[in-house]
Amino acid sequence: KNQVEQSPQSLIILEGKNCTLQCNYTVSPFSNLRWYKQDTGRGPVSLTIMTFSENTKSNGRYTATLDADTKQSSLHITASQLSDSASYICVVSLLYSSASKIIFGSGTRLSIRP
Amino acid sequence: NAGVTQTPKFQVLKTGQSMTLQCAQDMNHEYMSWYRQDPGMGLRLIHYSVGAGITDQGEVPNGYNVSRSTTEDFPLRLLSAAPSQTSVYFCASSYTYGGAEAYEQYFGPGTRLTVT
Repeated sequence: KNQVEQSPQSLIILEGKNCTLQCNYTVSPFSNLRWYKQDTGRGPVSLTIMTFSENTKSNGRYTATLDADTKQSSLHITASQLSDSASYICVVSLLYSSASKIIFGSGTRLSIRP
Repeated sequence: NAGVTQTPKFQVLKTGQSMTLQCAQDMNHEYMSWYRQDPGMGLRLIHYSVGAGITDQGEVPNGYNVSRSTTEDFPLRLLSAAPSQTSVYFCASSYTYGGAEAYEQYFGPGTRLTVT
């Protein structure tokens, strides 16, 4: 069964600290993996998109890694800011698939404390 | 560009009522889709469209209808609202359909619907 699992479900860290969010997937055949940031009361906004051949991609203080062999991805946030408080969603797409085969994780809720 | 817009932002319905959630995009994207987001669950696809006049069902289509008469607009209709349809609804668009190509998908701000 195609699944995307994220951990932890929620995380609280102090402002300025780093953190890493995890995403494990069983989707096959794999096409690409995306990380989204969703602020409370808003729609998801794309942070990174990685294809099979890419194992790391950065977007400012956000760095995503992908290990296609172990089917794991991580999102590392450096020097966290209060504005990083949000849900982070991992999304995996199947190769040559229709829209119905984009699998969303349930997200990690990150809270940054001053 | 306004991106993807949705109206209304909030709506309360009584069981059995019908309504239409509006979605529009100004990026000339062919692909549009509707998702619902429930607590503790990932977004689930309701319906999608790969272009004007073409729609198809997603993972959870029951109780919802869509149409795509123009590239810009993709309304979602609730035929007879039920409490199980209480959720946050997101519309999204992208340059190409599906997720198999690494094009960005843009989401609207969402509509929070409560059915009593």
